[in-house]
Amino acid sequence: AQSVTQLDSQVPVFEEAPVELRCNYSSSVSVYLFWYVQYPNQGLQLLLKYLSGSTLVKGINGFEAEFNKSQTSFHLRKPSVHISDTAEYFCAVSDLGGGGNKLTFGTGTQLKVEL
Amino acid sequence: DAGVIQSPRHEVTEMGQEVTLRCKPISGHNSLFWYRQTMMRGLELLIYFNNNVPIDDSGMPEDRFSAKMPNASFSTLKIQPSEPRDSAVYFCASSSRHEQYFGPGTRLTVT
Repeated sequence: AQSVTQLDSQVPVFEEAPVELRCNYSSSVSVYLFWYVQYPNQGLQLLLKYLSGSTLVKGINGFEAEFNKSQTSFHLRKPSVHISDTAEYFCAVSDLGGGGNKLTFGTGTQLKVEL
Repeated sequence: DAGVIQSPRHEVTEMGQEVTLRCKPISGHNSLFWYRQTMMRGLELLIYFNNNVPIDDSGMPEDRFSAKMPNASFSTLKIQPSEPRDSAVYFCASSSRHEQYFGPGTRLTVT
């Protein structure tokens, strides 16, 4: 079985400041990793994904994440946030041997960008 | 591509009534997922299908919930009878390889 831990339920940050949203996972097999964003009253939208290759992956809206196998982490970063980045962010994991494309989601981190 | 389509977007019903939520996945996707999202419980996977076949329904809360996928382009989630605690946002997602693509959700309110 696999699990995802998002250590921070809420992260307040000022506009133009950098931000890091933390994600740790637990799995006995190799995994694929994802970050999704959910804006108010909308569905989840894929931000970025790690399948293989370079451990630093870039996504939409200037976000990037780094896969660290030894730390079992996949933290999301942005060097300078904007008000429009205010949303909930979900980390998710899928194991390579699992049936279908089932994802296990974390509990989410609410990013609040303030002026 | 139109993305995942869900209907209705909002549903208000009275306790005891039957509710049917509908989903049209992205064309060519072979996996379909139903989720429920509430403030208290977060995002929960209810059931998922591969090639129209239900694979895992362990997340379906009770026998009042049922889901079908009669063909590759349509799925329904039915609640009968509905209860106030079923109030939530229900999402449908589809996938062809690794990532899932979510619909806009149906906000269900049971009074």
